[in-house]
Amino acid sequence: AQSVTQPDIHITVSEGASLELRCNYSYGATPYLFWYVQSPGQGLQLLLKYFSGDTLVQGIKGFEAEFKRSQSSFNLRKPSVHWSDAAEYFCAVVAYKYIFGTGTRLKVLA
Amino acid sequence: NAGVTQTPKFQVLKTGQSMTLQCAQDMNHEYMSWYRQDPGMGLRLIHYSVGAGITDQGEVPNGYNVSRSTTEDFPLRLLSAAPSQTSVYFCASSRGGQGDSPLHFGNGTRLTVT
Repeated sequence: AQSVTQPDIHITVSEGASLELRCNYSYGATPYLFWYVQSPGQGLQLLLKYFSGDTLVQGIKGFEAEFKRSQSSFNLRKPSVHWSDAAEYFCAVVAYKYIFGTGTRLKVLA
Repeated sequence: NAGVTQTPKFQVLKTGQSMTLQCAQDMNHEYMSWYRQDPGMGLRLIHYSVGAGITDQGEVPNGYNVSRSTTEDFPLRLLSAAPSQTSVYFCASSRGGQGDSPLHFGNGTRLTVT
């Protein structure tokens, strides 16, 4: 069965610092992988997706993620965080259904 | 372009009451699903459907029923509400359930069961 683990519940970074949010998945084949962002009181917005091909994918708002098959990981990165990036981030793995991780809440210090 | 529409936005129920959360999409998506979001638990899949007439259970299906009589609608029914069902519920749809297209989310329904 497919599953997703986001090991960091909370992360705090200073504005302008780099960011990496971790995501590990479990699935027998190469999965489809997504990152979503949720601002307070809002629904979820797609940041980026990996289907196949280039293992480094670019998303919106300056985010990128790298698929590493050997580590079963799909970590989200941003070189320089902005205060508006404070939100909750969810990784999702898709086989025949979409399964989400428990989320990582990002706090940005001014 | 409405996307995924959920109603109501807020609902308060007493224990034992029943209700239906409505979800409609206008994108002709085959895949539709319901999630509940609880603090520290992320989004957990309740039920999903890969097309009209086809539904299946997700991670936390107990206490919830669904049906899919049309492509557009995917209502979620609580037959006898319990305080443990207090949560924020999200409906989401996509073109296909194989992961080749992303999920589009509704704005959520905040349900409180007293």
